[in-house]
Amino acid sequence: GENVEQHPSTLSVQEGDSAVIKCTYSDSASNYFPWYKQELGKRPQLIIDIRSNVGEKKDQRIAVTLNKTAKHFSLHITETQPEDSAVYFCAAIPPYGGSQGNLIFGKGTKLSVKP
Amino acid sequence: EPEVTQTPSHQVTQMGQEVILRCVPISNHLYFYWYRQILGQKVEFLVSFYNNEISEKSEIFDDQFSVERPDGSNFTLKIRSTKLEDSAMYFCASSETEARNEQFFGPGTRLTVL
Repeated sequence: GENVEQHPSTLSVQEGDSAVIKCTYSDSASNYFPWYKQELGKRPQLIIDIRSNVGEKKDQRIAVTLNKTAKHFSLHITETQPEDSAVYFCAAIPPYGGSQGNLIFGKGTKLSVKP
Repeated sequence: EPEVTQTPSHQVTQMGQEVILRCVPISNHLYFYWYRQILGQKVEFLVSFYNNEISEKSEIFDDQFSVERPDGSNFTLKIRSTKLEDSAMYFCASSETEARNEQFFGPGTRLTVL
């Protein structure tokens, strides 16, 4: 089945710097890759996603890139702010037919933005 | 903006007792999911549900677990005989159409088994 690896497990940056979180997946047929932000004690919230027919997607300070050949995708946050501090999870959905879209999550990255 | 809701927010139970966790998905959504997150760990898939039946379940979702959509709005997860290791945050999620679309998560139910 699909396996998602995520690195680093913790990341500390200064306010205003950029942060990059990387994930790899194992099933080359997976074609949907969302990123979730989870603040302490709260629900995971979708912040951006990318489908396999697109190489990059951007939404203000957040961007995601996808390399299908290498089977990895990355989250980029520019001009980080203290409110970006949270745990970020990448995920993949295995191909349709064997599943109904259940998300396979990475282990998460705890991002700390220091003022 | 419509949201997935879950009740209760926190459930404390004795080992061996049955618990029912409740979820109200977003009203026009067709696909429903349960996930769990043990403290400090990643979110893990339990089960997906579509058209009033289970679509897929993980190895975690054994015979102690069941799901039901008893009416047009609620989606429940039942754990028949809770174990200590069932202590976790349980999240319900829903998505609108084809399962590839965004999944929206509820606020979670924290289950504590004593």
